[in-house]
Amino acid sequence: AIRMTQSPSSLSASIGDRVTITCRASQDMSSFLAWYQQKPGTAPKLMIYGASTLQTGVPSRFSGSGSGTDFTLTISWLQSEDYATYYCQQYYTYPPTFGQGTKLEIK
Amino acid sequence: QVQLQQSGPGLVKPSQTLSLTCAISGDSVSNESGAWHWIRQSPSRGIEWLGRTYYRSKWYTDYAVSLKSRITINPDTSKNQFSLQLNFVTPEDAAVYYCAGDYTVVGGVPEDIFDLWGQGTVVTVSS
Repeated sequence: AIRMTQSPSSLSASIGDRVTITCRASQDMSSFLAWYQQKPGTAPKLMIYGASTLQTGVPSRFSGSGSGTDFTLTISWLQSEDYATYYCQQYYTYPPTFGQGTKLEIK
Repeated sequence: QVQLQQSGPGLVKPSQTLSLTCAISGDSVSNESGAWHWIRQSPSRGIEWLGRTYYRSKWYTDYAVSLKSRITINPDTSKNQFSLQLNFVTPEDAAVYYCAGDYTVVGGVPEDIFDLWGQGTVVTVSS
């Protein structure tokens, strides 16, 4: 199975900041990567798929990039509702696997 | 709007069977562009995909290798739902269990992009 490693594990940032989260895969997986946002007590929410395609309804301040083994999620202008834990997930090979998460906290 | 509603007990005794159900509203479990998954999340194991079922002229089911001897996922077309059974549970199986759905082109292989989730069920394993 492909192993997904996110960094950092946690991150403190202020409203209006630009934030970048990194996800690294243990092998080349083209652009078969999704990003999810999870708030406490709720299920993950799909934000981005295909490494860079925003899911319908996701604000344009979110963006994704990368291919191969290295990917990034960027929030360009952090808003209060963006504080959450973010997970990457590969769907290039079976079984699908997730990163360990990056917790984004208020600074 | 498609929604998934989970049901089932939140407390299971060690060595017993965990049974959960996920009811689908707004779509059919037999939709040949959908696939229906079970996923769990725990502090120790993170988010772990457990298995899926989907219909493409016939039913297909796939399981995580680590659970293959203990897990069963079944569709129920009469109730438009699918279920999870996990046998011989141990405290390591304690987690929040989610059902999830993903859509692809009609007749296509599931993409495993989870754009639809149930509300989650907290499962505790204790006597």
